[in-house]
Amino acid sequence: DTEVTQTPKHLVMGMTNKKSLKCEQHMGHRAMYWYKQKAKKPPELMFVYSYEKLSINESVPSRFSPECPNSSLLNLHLHALQPEDSALYLCASSSLGAGEQYFGPGTRLTVT
Amino acid sequence: RKEVEQDPGPFNVPEGATVAFNCTYSNSASQSFFWYRQDCRKEPKLLMSVYSSGNEDGRFTAQLNRASQYISLLIRDSKLSDSATYLCVVKTNAGKSTFGDGTTLTVKP
Repeated sequence: DTEVTQTPKHLVMGMTNKKSLKCEQHMGHRAMYWYKQKAKKPPELMFVYSYEKLSINESVPSRFSPECPNSSLLNLHLHALQPEDSALYLCASSSLGAGEQYFGPGTRLTVT
Repeated sequence: RKEVEQDPGPFNVPEGATVAFNCTYSNSASQSFFWYRQDCRKEPKLLMSVYSSGNEDGRFTAQLNRASQYISLLIRDSKLSDSATYLCVVKTNAGKSTFGDGTTLTVKP
């Protein structure tokens, strides 16, 4: 089973809202990732969690707040976003280190 | 200079053609290498990992040249269903992944 699930599939939020994106994997992977993808661009790494600890933050603005409650779950809390944050947000998981990543279907976020 | 440079494309080829994509990377700490395909408005899906010895999966062959910091993907006997964007990905042991910009392939009847 190489499935990573993400909810919701679509999200529209205002700039003053607070919302959360959720990601779940049951592959026993100990590394989980958040990516942002704009149209016609490649995914850009935002955060990496290894053993439920934040190991990489690619200088992401603090209006994005990741959380890893356990080894299967990854959240991305959103607050006071800007319209330019509208994008596809992808979650992925992998075995630790340099292992191949498996992506969820993404959450398509629109900030109005 | 980008960390991962990929053929910009697009590539438009007839069914049955052989097509090759190339990618170079600049971070010598890179440890693992992959090709993903991404269909329009879908997530990237792993196509294959790339090893120094070269590896093949059906019509797809991937090569890695660590000395030249170069990876490639060869698709033989292209099918209509191969139409997609192909992304090369370079990853460090710390888990930092960098994607190339992607190359769009359109296979025409």
